Amino acid sequence: DVVLTQPPVAQPVTLGDQASISCRSSQSLVQSNGNTYLEWYLQKPGQSPQLLIYKVSKRFSGVPDRFIGSGSGSDFTLKISRVEPEDLGVYYCFQGTHDPYTFGAGTKLELK
Amino acid sequence: EVQILETGGGLVKPGGSLRLSCATSGFNFNDYFMNWVRQAPGKGLEWVAQIRNKNYNYATYYAESLEGRVTISRDDSKSSVYLQVNNLRAEDTAIYFCTRSRIPDYWGQGVMVTVSS
Repeated sequence: DVVLTQPPVAQPVTLGDQASISCRSSQSLVQSNGNTYLEWYLQKPGQSPQLLIYKVSKRFSGVPDRFIGSGSGSDFTLKISRVEPEDLGVYYCFQGTHDPYTFGAGTKLELK
Repeated sequence: EVQILETGGGLVKPGGSLRLSCATSGFNFNDYFMNWVRQAPGKGLEWVAQIRNKNYNYATYYAESLEGRVTISRDDSKSSVYLQVNNLRAEDTAIYFCTRSRIPDYWGQGVMVTVSS
């Protein structure tokens, strides 16, 4: 199975600062059709996960432009510029390229 | 508005079985792949299964940790997807989420399954 590694487990941040969360895959996530199915989700306490970024860098409907996804191959990053209170929670990366699909273990974005 | 509602959870004894249901509305169900994702208490997300649509012959895919014990199915006439889980174990205790699309974009609120004697 593809393993997605998300260090660190928790990332302290100051409101208004930029945050960067990484996700590294044990193998390339480029599919034969050229698509890279690497997605980012945010799960706030007591809520279902919400899709933020799909196919590495495309923002889902309604997601603020302060969320920026980047990367290629097996190395990906989610940047959040100017962190706001509603951005706090656990961020998961997910790969839908290789069956079985897998999630990273999550990075908790918390206040410093 | 996309709506996804899971039902069928509850307390089950080890070795028992459960069938979860997911009713949807607000989109053309026939066009979409559907997934189940679960989350054990205090833990991360685990993708469980996917069923594709008619265009892909309703192909199914499963997490290796559950393969052989789970079956995903769908009824396009009811815009619903199902998850049958057999031989339940304590480690299957989790919230089970139903999600839409190959890239899970919309999620239900989840349904709790507790496996305990």
